[in-house]
Amino acid sequence: GQQLNQSPQSMFIQEGEDVSMNCTSSSIFNTWLWYKQDPGEGPVLLIALYKAGELTSNGRLTAQFGITRKDSFLNISASIPSDVGIYFCAGRNYGGSQGNLIFGKGTKLSVKP
Amino acid sequence: GAVVSQHPSWVICKSGTSVKIECRSLDFQATTMFWYRQFPKQSLMLMATSNEGSKATYEQGVEKDKFLINHASLTLSTLTVTSAHPEDSSFYICSATHLGPEEQYFGPGTRLTVT
Repeated sequence: GQQLNQSPQSMFIQEGEDVSMNCTSSSIFNTWLWYKQDPGEGPVLLIALYKAGELTSNGRLTAQFGITRKDSFLNISASIPSDVGIYFCAGRNYGGSQGNLIFGKGTKLSVKP
Repeated sequence: GAVVSQHPSWVICKSGTSVKIECRSLDFQATTMFWYRQFPKQSLMLMATSNEGSKATYEQGVEKDKFLINHASLTLSTLTVTSAHPEDSSFYICSATHLGPEEQYFGPGTRLTVT
């Protein structure tokens, strides 16, 4: 079945540093989504991408839909302590099973003040 | 906008009992809701897709007789874990689609502990 590889699994960075994480797929996706999950909470949608090559920003967050449609990255600039959490990528392929979302395994971000 | 709530936020029950979890879309109508399960330090695993007024579609390996889903209205879906066992202890999260199938908005989750 379809799989998403998300990396890195975890990151420990200093406040103010930039962060980059990415997801790759074994097959083509039509939609890429990036979510953030705080402990004990549900994921919150950060950015949605719908076209290959699309680059979208949300404040300090920037995400891109890869040209090959098999990958996406998320960048966070000038990190702050509240950026701590787990970031998940999710992709949808309408040719797949009911077009449901497939989630990566998450990137745990820790920020040192 | 696009707020999804879940109730209860946490529940402890004894083995063999049933537990009902509610998922509501507060400020929009959701024709489709999804139920996920998440084990500690793991990703979300889709259990089933719920469409208002029709039977839920379960993912492979999910027992439909154990995890009963009812999507009675455009703002409410319920998940009932029947005859719960300790291995059913997990974080259950629902989501609903808003303004199209591409974006899912998640509830805050329900922590179920079966003793």
